[in-house]
Parts: sequence; C-alpha cells; structure tokens
Amino acid sequence: EDQVTQSPEALRLQEGESSSLNCSYTVSGLRGLFWYRQDPGKGPEFLFTLYSAGEEKEKERLKATLTKKESFLHITAPKPEDSATYLCVVLGYSSASKIIFGSGTRLSIRP
Amino acid sequence: DVKVTQSSRYLVKRTGEKVFLECVQDMDHENMFWYRQDPGLGLRLIYFSYDVKMKEKGDIPEGYSVSREKKERFSLILESASTNQTSMYLCASSSTAERYEQYFGPGTRLTVT
Repeated sequence: EDQVTQSPEALRLQEGESSSLNCSYTVSGLRGLFWYRQDPGKGPEFLFTLYSAGEEKEKERLKATLTKKESFLHITAPKPEDSATYLCVVLGYSSASKIIFGSGTRLSIRP
Repeated sequence: DVKVTQSSRYLVKRTGEKVFLECVQDMDHENMFWYRQDPGLGLRLIYFSYDVKMKEKGDIPEGYSVSREKKERFSLILESASTNQTSMYLCASSSTAERYEQYFGPGTRLTVT
C-alpha cells in the first residue's frame, strides 16, 4: 500500500536556525513528489515538484531534495514568515490518478 | 495571478439539510478537485473532474456528489448533511499539463449540527 510519512510532526526553530523536514514514502514507482505550504485557515500553496532521485529544487530559503525513499525540505536561515505547515504529497504509478497527502510538519520560527 | 475562490469561508448547517459548496477558478484549468481536511487525517480526495460534465470518485466519495456544468465551476453537494461531514473543504484546480501542481482555494469550514 502506498504510504507517506512526514517527520517531525512539529518543529520549533529560532530565527536563522537552519533545519530539515523529512518525507518518507513507499510507492510502487514514483510518478512525482510535491511539496506544499499551508498557512492556518488557508488552502495549501504549491512549492515544488520532484520526479526522480537526485533532483533538487530551490525557492528562496527552501530547497527540496529527493532520494529513492525520501525527500527533504531544507530551510536555511528561516524567518518568522516561514512559519506554516509543510505538506508532502506523493503520486505513484500503482495509485493511478490518486495522490497521497502526508499529514504535514508544523514549522514555527521564533523571532 | 492564479485564483480559486470558494463560495463561503464558514457555513453552519443542520443534519439532513442539502448543502452546496461552490468553487470557481479563473485559470482555464481542465482539472478540478474537492478535498476535505481533518486533524490527524490530512487531506483526502472526495471527487475530481478532468473535463466539463466528467467526474471521478476519489478516496471518500460516500455521502457526496459533484457537478461540473461549466469549465470554471465545480460544485460539491452533500445530499443529506451529517455531523461526520463537519470539516474543512478545499477546492483545487490544475492544468492538464501539470495535473498535480494544484492551486487551492481558501477553504470552506462546514459545521453540521
């Protein structure tokens, strides 16, 4: 069964303290892995798509990487406005048109 | 700028009522989706549509139906609302070329009493 697990569930960092969020996945052939950001009371906002192991994408202080079993979202020198829940989403070949959302990592950046 | 709008931010309905949630996108996207989001369960796909008048069931379609009469509009219908349908409902759209790069609306928080 296709599965997505995100860790940690919550992460509190000081402003400027770099860290990484993890997304582990089990699928029968990866079609795509997606990262979204969700602010409280709002819909998710698309960040990145990764398709193959070794691929990396960057946007401002965020960098997403992909291996055959997991993806990392690295955040460098975060600011309070980076506080949000980050969702990992996986699409596998076995699940046809169905995508699987992880439960998210709630990131809080203290000034 | 990409925009997906939902008809209500907050909605309170009584058990047994028929509920309509409307979603409109202005990006000429072919695909539209309805999700519900619950604490601890994440986002779950209810229905999606890849063309006008076309629909496919997602993971949790029971108790819901959808309608897509125009490309820009996708409606979610709760035929007879129940308390276990209290949730945040999110609509999303995407293009055929980038089907899973989805643009989400702000959500409708539905409470069924």
